[in-house]
Amino acid sequence: GAGVSQTPSNKVTEKGKYVELRCDPISGHTALYWYRQSLGQGPEFLIYFQGTGAADDSGLPNDRFFAVRPEGSVSTLKIQRTERGDSAVYLCASSLSLAGGEQFFGPGTRLTVL
Amino acid sequence: KQEVTQIPAALSVPEGENLVLNCSFTDSAIYNLQWFRQDPGKGLTSLLLIQSSQREQTSGRLNASLDKSSGRSTLYIAASQPGDSATYLCAVGHQAGTALIFGKGTTLSVSS
Repeated sequence: GAGVSQTPSNKVTEKGKYVELRCDPISGHTALYWYRQSLGQGPEFLIYFQGTGAADDSGLPNDRFFAVRPEGSVSTLKIQRTERGDSAVYLCASSLSLAGGEQFFGPGTRLTVL
Repeated sequence: KQEVTQIPAALSVPEGENLVLNCSFTDSAIYNLQWFRQDPGKGLTSLLLIQSSQREQTSGRLNASLDKSSGRSTLYIAASQPGDSATYLCAVGHQAGTALIFGKGTTLSVSS
């Protein structure tokens, strides 16, 4: 597609459940980033990939969060045992390379944990 | 630790005014700076990217400047329009390819 796509656009789940959020980057973009945005705040970094490997996962809040990018394109953010505090908009971005490229964002997935 | 601050948090102007949004950062050793626009309930749209070696970038009615030594960037919007109403976010990249560190944004309202 022309831009970064994310699915689902909205996800409502119950506390304790497992969720997967998907990101499809711009074709040919090697770098992929996950951010989380709470109401009234700027996005906060979670993890980024160069190709298939996680270059930096220092933003993941705890071991309930995990992300993969097995073929260097689509990425999945996985959250285990969801908590109400995980409710936020999860944003994905991609860039052509790690060398200071412009980051392009998807529309986000709004996660609500009841 | 890099911190990014945007002032004011909110701004209301009548249509046609020229305006300036401010962004400051605590660590001047940045690699690049990017300005984004975010409409309610939407993702981020990239407006301008300034590399650390550049002083400014222009796109249409938008002009962004960068003063690394003072830790400041400004986004100038000329002849504002109601369609410019949105939240504007400033973000800095500390090293090549690393994740961006964002400010909280300035919410702009342009009335007709």
